[in-house]
Order: sequence, then C-alpha cells, then structure tokens
Amino acid sequence: SAVISQKPSRDICQRGTSLTIQCQVDSQVTMMFWYRQQPGQSLTLIATANQGSEATYESGFVIDKFPISRPNLTFSTLTVSNMSPEDSSIYLCSVEDHGSAGVYSYEQYFGPGTRLTVT
Amino acid sequence: GESVGLHLPTLSVQEGDNSIINCAYSNSASDYFIWYKQESGKGPQFIIDIRSNMDKRQGQRVTVLLNKTVKHLSLQIAATQPGDSAVYFCAEKLNNAGNMLTFGGGTRLMVKP
Repeated sequence: SAVISQKPSRDICQRGTSLTIQCQVDSQVTMMFWYRQQPGQSLTLIATANQGSEATYESGFVIDKFPISRPNLTFSTLTVSNMSPEDSSIYLCSVEDHGSAGVYSYEQYFGPGTRLTVT
Repeated sequence: GESVGLHLPTLSVQEGDNSIINCAYSNSASDYFIWYKQESGKGPQFIIDIRSNMDKRQGQRVTVLLNKTVKHLSLQIAATQPGDSAVYFCAEKLNNAGNMLTFGGGTRLMVKP
C-alpha cells in the first residue's frame, strides 16, 4: 500500500492568511484526493486531483478558496485561502492504489492529516 | 486534545468481548465498501473491504458483513483489545477507478480494561 506524508502536521494561522499543505506519496499514483474533517465529524471530499488536469471540486468547494496543484504523480498541494475560523479542520490527503486483489481493486489510503486552527 | 470523535456515537465494550459496529449506507448502486479505523492524531487506516458480490469477509480478528437488501454494513471485532479504541468509519463507492468514497458518520469505540 502507498505511504503518504503531509506537511505541516499542524498549524495555527490568523484569519485572512493562506496555508499551503503538501502531500507526498512514496509511489506514483494516478488519483489523489483532498478531504476535510471538521471537529467531531466524518470526512468530506473537497476535490479530486489528477496529474496534468484541473482538479475536480465537490459541491460547496471552489477553486478560489481551495486551489490545488498536482505537478507530478507523487505530489500535490492544497491551499486554504483567506482563512476564517470556520476553516479550522483536519485536512487529509488520500490516494487510490491497487489493493490486495491486484489491478481489479481500488483501495484508498490516507495521510496522517494536517490539523489547522484559525484564530 | 484530539477533536475527532467528540460528537460521534460511542460504543463501550469490555476488553476481551466482541464488538459490533454498524453502518447504514446510502447508495444502492455502491458495490465496494471499506471500513477504516482512525486513531487519535492519525489519518484513517484501511481495515477491511468487501465487494457487493459477497455478504461476508473475514480478516484477522475482524469480520465485515454486508446486507444489500437493507443497505447495512457491520464490522465485528473479536476479543476487543485496548488498541482497538478508535473511531471507525464505513465508506462506500462504485468499484471503478477514480470514483469518490462516501463516508458514514463514524462510531467511537472505547475499550474498558
């Protein structure tokens, strides 16, 4: 399974500023995803990022607020722009990789998350 | 402290007992289901998956049951240990590349020594 790292692991930011979160994978993957997990909640998909194309955003999330880069098959960034306290969440990078059943299974693995607090 | 799981339903079990965590999924077209475990301060960890052509799958100390008729999924943990304490999420998707995972609300499992 893919091993995923994220930077920073946590940060405290002032409202109105922006933070860029990095996601690094130890193998080349086609599909990368960014999720948000608000306090005490489940995971919500922000966008899907494929290398060489624009990210696809889910309802309620827009590129101006959450710009994403995907320069190659092992790396992606998510920027949280013009932050407000409502953006305080855990942001998780995820990748899709073939699972134990080989090329016919599509398992999804998660990074450790970036814990963002906006004051 | 860790904020994940503060407002989630909680299942409290005695160490050594079996645990059953339930999940209702939403999309009758979903054909692939996954259980994740999220420990404090970590991202979700893959536990076990099941495809819709099966109704039961067993792993090490874990069993997943799928009832497509009522769109219900359960995770059974045998001989629950303190290290099993975590938040557990079910997720569903269409088993094709690139389709999004939809997560359930999650259940916090607390194991009493």
